[in-house]
Amino acid sequence: NAGVTQTPKFQVLKTGQSMTLQCAQDMNHNSMYWYRQDPGMGLRLIYYSASEGTTDKGEVPNGYNVSRLNKREFSLRLESAAPSQTSVYFCASSEAGGLSTDTQYFGPGTRLTVL
Amino acid sequence: SQKIEQNSEALNIQEGKTATLTCNYTNYSPAYLQWYRQDPGRGPVFLLLIRENEKEKRKERLKVTFDTTLKQSLFHITASQPADSATYLCALGYSSASKIIFGSGTRLSIRP
Repeated sequence: NAGVTQTPKFQVLKTGQSMTLQCAQDMNHNSMYWYRQDPGMGLRLIYYSASEGTTDKGEVPNGYNVSRLNKREFSLRLESAAPSQTSVYFCASSEAGGLSTDTQYFGPGTRLTVL
Repeated sequence: SQKIEQNSEALNIQEGKTATLTCNYTNYSPAYLQWYRQDPGRGPVFLLLIRENEKEKRKERLKVTFDTTLKQSLFHITASQPADSATYLCALGYSSASKIIFGSGTRLSIRP
């Protein structure tokens, strides 16, 4: 089992460019999450998907969109990147549906720089 | 808004001693609290969960306490080893609000 995988590992964008961060899990988990991690700020929830076909906003959703393509895959899209979106992005999944007390399994992260 | 405070400065501990990390929160008590370990360049890894009605949880050399009166959780690593060096994150879960809030983490260094 690969667990949670993310692509790409690194990305540099210019302001205004768009891109999609990909995430997949092979643990048959119901819930999936996108976080960003900035120095001194901790992990902040961008969006989550409690089950296939549903998505909900987290703490910092502005400037992002998500798609739960199927049970395995959850993508994060930046339509018009801004320097403030320079961060490390983590995808995570958990077994139960909803935002539960289940353990979250994290991917290795995508390091995004917006110039 | 809810805030979580973890030691912002790194914690340096001699090998073999007990490391104690704190997680303080304001306002509402969470339904549960989780601790994660994060190594440089990697994603967080779950360690322990403690619920609001539990005082203490143990797993091998790890112990977590949860005091809703003090609004604080303590995370202990006994007989610490250099391999325990990492950043440790606490996360508060609020079931009714469907929300999880992470602290910024405490960097722990264990010197031989």
